[in-house]
Amino acid sequence: GIQVEQSPPDLILQEGANSTLRCNFSDSVNNLQWFHQNPWGQLINLFYIPSGTKQNGRLSATTVATERYSLLYISSSQTTDSGVYFCAVDCGDDKIIFGKGTRLHILP
Amino acid sequence: SAVISQKPSRDICQRGTSLTIQCQVDSQVTMMFWYRQQPGQSLTLIATANQGSEATYESGFVIDKFPISRPNLTFSTLTVSNMSPEDSSIYLCSPDGVDGYTFGSGTRLTVV
Repeated sequence: GIQVEQSPPDLILQEGANSTLRCNFSDSVNNLQWFHQNPWGQLINLFYIPSGTKQNGRLSATTVATERYSLLYISSSQTTDSGVYFCAVDCGDDKIIFGKGTRLHILP
Repeated sequence: SAVISQKPSRDICQRGTSLTIQCQVDSQVTMMFWYRQQPGQSLTLIATANQGSEATYESGFVIDKFPISRPNLTFSTLTVSNMSPEDSSIYLCSPDGVDGYTFGSGTRLTVV
């Protein structure tokens, strides 16, 4: 089956810093999503981005489907950005496969 | 995107007992997915539930342990049966969607 790899696994940054999270996938996908899981466990959908670039405030994402990767950019980090960021892909069989996540810790 | 209500939000259960988790969606959906997230881990798909047919379970998950009901197109339940401490996890439901997937707020289960 498809493999989804996220890097880095852990990231500690000072408030105000910028960060780039990466998601590599091993096969063609129909859909790719980025999620933020907050400390209470809730999964927040950040981007639905099978290809191209999208921006929402301080967050943006780019997926290059032909090269099988996606990037999530977080600018001017805030402590509320802390949590785990997951990349998930849909291969067309109505299932989504999650990466192992990047645990982000923003220090005040 | 769909509005999802998942209950209970958390529970502490004795080993050997069972817990039923409910997932209600505000619109009709074809498929409902159930996921498990063990502590510090990513999400793993347990099963896919279609209305009117038996759920399809992923490798490592069986119906006797995780029976699922799907009585209509807006509701589903997942039961965690004969629980052990290893079942302590967050359980999440997710309906299929046109523009990506959304998730219920999750059920945080602790088995003691």
